[in-house]
Amino acid sequence: EDQVTQSPEALRLQEGESSSLNCSYTVSGLRGLFWYRQDPGKGPEFLFTLYSAGEEKEKERLKATLTKKESFLHITAPKPEDSATYLCAVQARKAAGNKLTFGGGTRVLVKP
Amino acid sequence: GAVVSQHPSRVICKSGTSVKIECRSLDFQATTMFWYRQFPKQSLMLMATSNEGSKATYEQGVEKDKFLINHASLTLSTLTVTSAHPEDSSFYICSADRGIQETQYFGPGTRLLVL
Repeated sequence: EDQVTQSPEALRLQEGESSSLNCSYTVSGLRGLFWYRQDPGKGPEFLFTLYSAGEEKEKERLKATLTKKESFLHITAPKPEDSATYLCAVQARKAAGNKLTFGGGTRVLVKP
Repeated sequence: GAVVSQHPSRVICKSGTSVKIECRSLDFQATTMFWYRQFPKQSLMLMATSNEGSKATYEQGVEKDKFLINHASLTLSTLTVTSAHPEDSSFYICSADRGIQETQYFGPGTRLLVL
């Protein structure tokens, strides 16, 4: 069974204090690993897709990396508007109908 | 990016009534649409996967007769919560993708409150 574990569950940062979120996964053949951002009361917003170990992607203050067992989402010099829940999800090659398995999320609060 | 809409954004209903939620892909044709449920401070739980013109595939533990899914076209899927009860109160979110190895794009969600 595919499993995704995110840590920490919650993270409080001062504005400008860089940090990393972890997403550990076990999957029977990875097709893709996805990062989403979710604001309270809204649907998840797509950030990145990573397909193979060693791949990295960046968007503004966010950078996602992937190894064979985990992915990291690095937040560099965060601003209060980066406060959100960050969700990681995996898609297995054998996943029926492109199903995603989500982790529990990391709630990030950036204080000014 | 691709845009997915949901309607209504919020609904309050009496126990025993049925509620229909629409999910539309606005600027692309969705091969597959997904329905999720999310409780406060929890992650997304997949309820079912639907493809246009075929029956939905439900996850284990999800009642097919209670959560009716219709995928009428490549841009529209509906979820009907039949005979809703207070325990069905939740945040329902749909997503859609364009095919294999394509990203799932999510709608804004529908908050359902059953009194």
